[in-house]
Amino acid sequence: NAGVTQTPKFQVLKTGQSMTLQCAQDMNHEYMSWYRQDPGMGLRLIHYSVGAGITDQGEVPNGYNVSRSTTEDFPLRLLSAAPSQTSVYFCASSYSRGEQYFGPGTRLTVT
Amino acid sequence: AQTVTQSQPEMSVQEAETVTLSCTYDTSESDYYLFWYKQPPSRQMILVIRQEAYKQQNATENRFSVNFQKAAKSFSLKISDSQLGDAAMYFCAYRSPYSGGGADGLTFGKGTHLIIQP
Repeated sequence: NAGVTQTPKFQVLKTGQSMTLQCAQDMNHEYMSWYRQDPGMGLRLIHYSVGAGITDQGEVPNGYNVSRSTTEDFPLRLLSAAPSQTSVYFCASSYSRGEQYFGPGTRLTVT
Repeated sequence: AQTVTQSQPEMSVQEAETVTLSCTYDTSESDYYLFWYKQPPSRQMILVIRQEAYKQQNATENRFSVNFQKAAKSFSLKISDSQLGDAAMYFCAYRSPYSGGGADGLTFGKGTHLIIQP
């Protein structure tokens, strides 16, 4: 049981490049979310999903795209990277309304 | 929208002593969940304790306990017998029981950096 996994752990992008952050969970959780963490801030919700085929925006969705084709996977796409997207990204999952379980995070730098 | 406030950016405590981290929140909902997460330098987010708003009894997990004051919208974390391994960022988080409209996720405070003095 690996829990929530994220790849890559680190990534450097140039402005304007696109990429996909991968997230997978093996706990059969319906709910999955993406957060970003900036210095001096708590985590902020980007997008979330309540099940396969269902996604919705969180607090800071601009510049990001998500889809959920399976229960296990919830990738986050950066369409055209900007320096403002330099951050640490966390994926999380949960069964229902309770606590969320987090992946190890991806540190992204956009130059 | 809900907000979570942690008014102590940094706290310091001697090893083996007790420390309390503060958290207040604002919501119009009557049912919700509250959590404390720990983030050590490894940056992994680790659940410390959870509280369901409809439960009046304060949650306890070994050396960690909460003081949940629903009317005051306060949710503090007490760490007893502090250990060096407790040094980390601690985040208070709120979760609504309802979905949709950006509500299905955690709302975090900005965190408290806990330092343990040996």
